Amino acid sequence: EVQLVESGGGLVKPGGSLRLSCAGSGFTFSSYNMNWVRQAPGKGLEWVSMISYSSSYTYYADSGRGRFTISRDNARNSLYLQMDRLRVEDTAVYYCARGGLEHWGQGTLVTVSS
Amino acid sequence: QSVLTQPPSISAAPGQTITISCSGSSSNIENNFVSWYQQLPGTSPKVLIYDDKKRPSGIPDRFSGSKSGTSATLGIAGLQTGDEADYYCGTWDGSQSAWVFGGGTKLTVL
Repeated sequence: EVQLVESGGGLVKPGGSLRLSCAGSGFTFSSYNMNWVRQAPGKGLEWVSMISYSSSYTYYADSGRGRFTISRDNARNSLYLQMDRLRVEDTAVYYCARGGLEHWGQGTLVTVSS
Repeated sequence: QSVLTQPPSISAAPGQTITISCSGSSSNIENNFVSWYQQLPGTSPKVLIYDDKKRPSGIPDRFSGSKSGTSATLGIAGLQTGDEADYYCGTWDGSQSAWVFGGGTKLTVL
């Protein structure tokens, strides 16, 4: 069974940093592109970033480009999102999702507030 | 403002059949596969339809997908109260190199 488990969310002040993690299991992690998607409270889905299976390519939404960095460790079956210079509008549940977004984790809540 | 356009809400009675539309452009829907996601309250999104019209195992055939040009449609037959949820369409956008979603449609079964 495919499982994706996010962690690392929490409360952070504007301008602060946070690193999210996603642990994958039940599939060959190193064979799949991986994504981060977020959902602000009461709002819709917003794709954040994608990394190719071998880390050769990374893509970012405009909202996070220059502030967020996606990375992965295939030996640890793990995906990461380093978020710097956080803003109040980054407050959301952050989901990791496999490949073509066919499997999603349960999400981790990031709250940016003073 | 979402790249893909969906109606914000729809309501229908149990047993009825509804469709949810998703409108995009040649850079996304027309040239890439569309997926549909169901998000029940307090849960993460779940794929109902992928590759325009395929259903993952375990998804009942009451759910169907179709696509024509720059638009896609989700159909739900024999509505049940358990179908009350938010529904999103999503696809890859080649001009933005990004996954894009519709704004979501809140389905109420009354």
